[in-house]
Amino acid sequence: GAGVSQSPRYKVAKRGQDVALRCDPISGHVSLFWYQQALGQGPEFLTYFQNEAQLDKSGLPSDRFFAERPEGSVSTLKIQRTQQEDSAVYLCASSLAFFGGNQPQHFGDGTRLSIL
Amino acid sequence: GDSVTQMEGPVTLSEEAFLTINCTYTATGYPSLFWYVQYPGEGLQLLLKATKADDKGSNKGFEATYRKETTSFHLEKGSVQVSDSAVYFCALSGFTGANSKLTFGKGITLSVRP
Repeated sequence: GAGVSQSPRYKVAKRGQDVALRCDPISGHVSLFWYQQALGQGPEFLTYFQNEAQLDKSGLPSDRFFAERPEGSVSTLKIQRTQQEDSAVYLCASSLAFFGGNQPQHFGDGTRLSIL
Repeated sequence: GDSVTQMEGPVTLSEEAFLTINCTYTATGYPSLFWYVQYPGEGLQLLLKATKADDKGSNKGFEATYRKETTSFHLEKGSVQVSDSAVYFCALSGFTGANSKLTFGKGITLSVRP
């Protein structure tokens, strides 16, 4: 369909490995968000892109986390030297316009990351 | 910073019972308020929203009213169905650009038994 697509759906990695999570937003959506959802918790903001510009990365938990959206469409969230506390569901959301308060965010199904 | 507090769960109700899920918030300015729902095995979906004080959001029989004086956005439904079993998240956002990031509550699991 035409929704937000995330891949892979599940990722298992050993502690210390690097991982890359992909988000394909709805075509034409300007705003893209990444969230981290720990088990039993609500999603927490990681970073925000407006087109290709990363305007807010205040939620990234450490410098091991890096996100990019080079052409203003697909985005990748990379985690280097993974730790067990990185285990969570990573959600991507996109919305149509810059003025987000009146534009709903459309969420992907998430990537469930497990660090062994 | 901004925050959202939801009542503790889980909640178990019989079909056709009345539902209230409490949500209060702390925010600067005039946030937009949302309820998102996550059905088993599915992604987060917007259930309803309200963008200014005294607005009422409604969808699928659910309602919530933006109460600025009590900083609340309680979710209600007059008669729940088994198909309403899901996790419900209250959330807020600012209006523009990066401020439109969502701040979520912890979520509450609703189970409706036949």
